[in-house]
Amino acid sequence: NAGVTQTPKFQVLKTGQSMTLQCAQDMNHEYMSWYRQDPGMGLRLIHYSVGAGITDQGEVPNGYNVSRSTTEDFPLRLLSAAPSQTSVYFCASRQDREGENTEAFFGQGTRLTVV
Amino acid sequence: AQSVAQPEDQVNVAEGNPLTVKCTYSVSGNPYLFWYVQYPNRGLQFLLKYITGDNLVKGSYGFEAEFNKSQTSFHLKKPSALVSDSALYFCAVRLWGHNAGNMLTFGGGTRLMVKP
Repeated sequence: NAGVTQTPKFQVLKTGQSMTLQCAQDMNHEYMSWYRQDPGMGLRLIHYSVGAGITDQGEVPNGYNVSRSTTEDFPLRLLSAAPSQTSVYFCASRQDREGENTEAFFGQGTRLTVV
Repeated sequence: AQSVAQPEDQVNVAEGNPLTVKCTYSVSGNPYLFWYVQYPNRGLQFLLKYITGDNLVKGSYGFEAEFNKSQTSFHLKKPSALVSDSALYFCAVRLWGHNAGNMLTFGGGTRLMVKP
């Protein structure tokens, strides 16, 4: 089973460039989310989706866009990269079952450097 | 609002000794609690989760966690540490209920260093 797959693993961008981080899951999970990981700050939620066609903002959404056209895919777009967006990005998915404490599954991460 | 605190940036322990990684949480309702581990250049791996009614939760790789409602804590423990346990550990929380906006809130992480 592939689980959650993120591409690319590494990326260097120049300030002002745009790019899309890809995330795909093959577990038919309803919930998907994007986090960024910065030293000493844990993981912070950028955007999330509770199903195809439904997205919402998390804690740190500025500078990022998302869409969810299918259950499997949840791409994260940087419209105009800034050095403050240098971080490690993680995609996660989870199957929500009411009353159950279901865990999230994480991708391997994308290490992004903006110069 | 919900929050998680991991008061120690790093925990050092000798191989074979017991280890504890601390986590406290703050939520307005009943919490779902998790521990994840991250090895270098890898994603987060699920270790264990709190299940209602079981204050001592057992997880992967011999880890366990003790839920204490009065102290709002969910400390991660292992009776005998291994060098291979050295990694970054994250505590996370979310609220009960079928809340569509309910994603995980993470602590800042604790680096565990186990020395031979």
